[in-house]
Amino acid sequence: DVKVTQSSRYLVKRTGEKVFLECVQDMDHENMFWYRQDPGLGLRLIYFSYDVKMKEKGDIPEGYSVSREKKERFSLILESASTNQTSMYLCASSLAGELYEQYFGPGTRLTVT
Amino acid sequence: SQKIEQNSEALNIQEGKTATLTCNYTNYSPAYLQWYRQDPGRGPVFLLLIRENEKEKRKERLKVTFDTTLKQSLFHITASQPADSATYLCALDNYGQNFVFGPGTRLSVLP
Repeated sequence: DVKVTQSSRYLVKRTGEKVFLECVQDMDHENMFWYRQDPGLGLRLIYFSYDVKMKEKGDIPEGYSVSREKKERFSLILESASTNQTSMYLCASSLAGELYEQYFGPGTRLTVT
Repeated sequence: SQKIEQNSEALNIQEGKTATLTCNYTNYSPAYLQWYRQDPGRGPVFLLLIRENEKEKRKERLKVTFDTTLKQSLFHITASQPADSATYLCALDNYGQNFVFGPGTRLSVLP
């Protein structure tokens, strides 16, 4: 059974802290994605990666960075957390080539105070 | 500017009726369009994919249509059940690079 896991379901951080969100998939997928989801704004793509050490900016990369050192793991980094980064963060993965369906993790609800 | 709209933020229907959800887009030329279901506090789950050269796709009680002239996809759930209550998202491919999601429609099927 396909699985995407995220390191935390809930996280509370203070303004200015460095925050790491981890995502692991066990399906040997080439593509991995990070989204944030906010009421009324839907899912917005932050970054995605087609391969190890490869990354592409999505629609809202400002304030975020990513790391993909291993195929199964894709990390989202908030260099200096701000209150406007309070959101639900969702990781997803998919096969490469034709745009196959994405498999999502359960999400991390991040609150920055 | 590019935009994806889903017919309404919320839709209430009676059990047993057909639910019809709409996804409209502007300034995109998607080769694929997908529909996902999302339950509260969970990640979206893939339901159906339809290609631009396919007019219609079916899966059990689900049916999706894709009209590239109208720039619209319709998502139907026939014989709806309370268990179908969820938020439904459409997603279309962004020039083959990634998918862009619509804001979603929250469907409530009333017993």
